[in-house]
Amino acid sequence: KQEVTQIPAALSVPEGENLVLNCSFTDSAIYNLQWFRQDPGKGLTSLLLIQSSQREQTSGRLNASLDKSSGRSTLYIAASQPGDSATYLCAVTGTASKLTFGTGTRLQVTL
Amino acid sequence: DADVTQTPRNRITKTGKRIMLECSQTKGHDRMYWYRQDPGLGLRLIYYSFDVKDINKGEISDGYSVSRQAQAKFSLSLESAIPNQTALYFCATSESGTESNQPQHFGDGTRLSIL
Repeated sequence: KQEVTQIPAALSVPEGENLVLNCSFTDSAIYNLQWFRQDPGKGLTSLLLIQSSQREQTSGRLNASLDKSSGRSTLYIAASQPGDSATYLCAVTGTASKLTFGTGTRLQVTL
Repeated sequence: DADVTQTPRNRITKTGKRIMLECSQTKGHDRMYWYRQDPGLGLRLIYYSFDVKDINKGEISDGYSVSRQAQAKFSLSLESAIPNQTALYFCATSESGTESNQPQHFGDGTRLSIL
């Protein structure tokens, strides 16, 4: 059974700092890995999707990497801003498009 | 308007009641999913459907049923609600096709409380 772990569970950083969120998974037989953002009381917003054949994806200040063989992904956020405060979830896609989620990292960017 | 709409957004009800949560989408996607989110447990898949005539159980389907009334509509029912079904429920959609590059798109969720 696939298990997805995210470390740390919570993180507080000052504005402007670069930061890395970590995600690990136990079964490397995945189709892709997605990073989502969840704001309080809101749904999930897809940030980046990395296909299993890819090593990284970039969108603006976000960069996600994937090392499928070691079961790891990182989400790098450059020059953090207070608006980046949210919970970040990673999820891997297995057979039948089923997503397995981690429990998330709650990020707070302080002024 | 949101691409994936869930109704109601919030619901408080009593143990034993029948509850229906509705999801509709304007994205034209074939695939639809229902998840629940509990603190400390992440999101878990309840049911999913790849087209109107296709229904599949997910990880935690006991106590739930679904109906895919049309390509755009996918409803989740709790036949006899119990307090441990209190959670945040999400509907999601995705396109058919190569699984490696199909992201799922989520609604804003339904917060359900069962007293």
